[in-house]
Amino acid sequence: GNSVTQMEGPVTLSEEAFLTINCTYTATGYPSLFWYVQYPGEGLQLLLKATKADDKGSNKGFEATYRKETTSFHLEKGSVQVSDSAVYFCALSTISNFGNEKLTFGTGTRLTIIP
Amino acid sequence: SQTIHQWPATLVQPVGSPLSLECTVEGTSNPNLYWYRQAAGRGLQLLFYSVGIGQISSEVPQNLSASRPQDRQFILSSKKLLLSDSGFYLCAWSVNIPSSYNEQFFGPGTRLTVL
Repeated sequence: GNSVTQMEGPVTLSEEAFLTINCTYTATGYPSLFWYVQYPGEGLQLLLKATKADDKGSNKGFEATYRKETTSFHLEKGSVQVSDSAVYFCALSTISNFGNEKLTFGTGTRLTIIP
Repeated sequence: SQTIHQWPATLVQPVGSPLSLECTVEGTSNPNLYWYRQAAGRGLQLLFYSVGIGQISSEVPQNLSASRPQDRQFILSSKKLLLSDSGFYLCAWSVNIPSSYNEQFFGPGTRLTVL
């Protein structure tokens, strides 16, 4: 079956540090890949996505590249801010028999940025 | 604009009692609807999804059931709650266009504690 393995947290970094959160996946076929984020007190929301090999998703200074050869979709940011403190979820999406997308999530990585 | 509502926000129930969680979406028609559970230390697990009124797909065998009595209403139920049903329940919707690339939009969630 499909699965997503994420870097275990929690992760604590100083402001302006470089961030990498590792994500690898197992799937049949060619899934789309997503990063969702859950800020404190808020609902889950899409951060970025990529639909095919070598695509790069980017948003709010975050980037992730769909690497088919290593089945990975690592999240990176060059200089983190305190406002980036949140829980980050990696997910893959496949199509069901009804044509809708089905998400398989990783366990989430809690990120805390210290001023 | 589209909004998604869930209630109640928190719920404490005794073992063996019934459950009914409700999710409604506004501002869109014929959405795909989803129920997820987030248990402590685990990622979001897809429980049910629906692509139309009266259609329900179950992803995992469990003590819960789902129904979609109206186009934008999704209900999660149980006749007798178990301790293992405790968790954070999230409802989500997406546009009803066949694709694995569609973004899902999440509600604020319901925290269920079974004692």
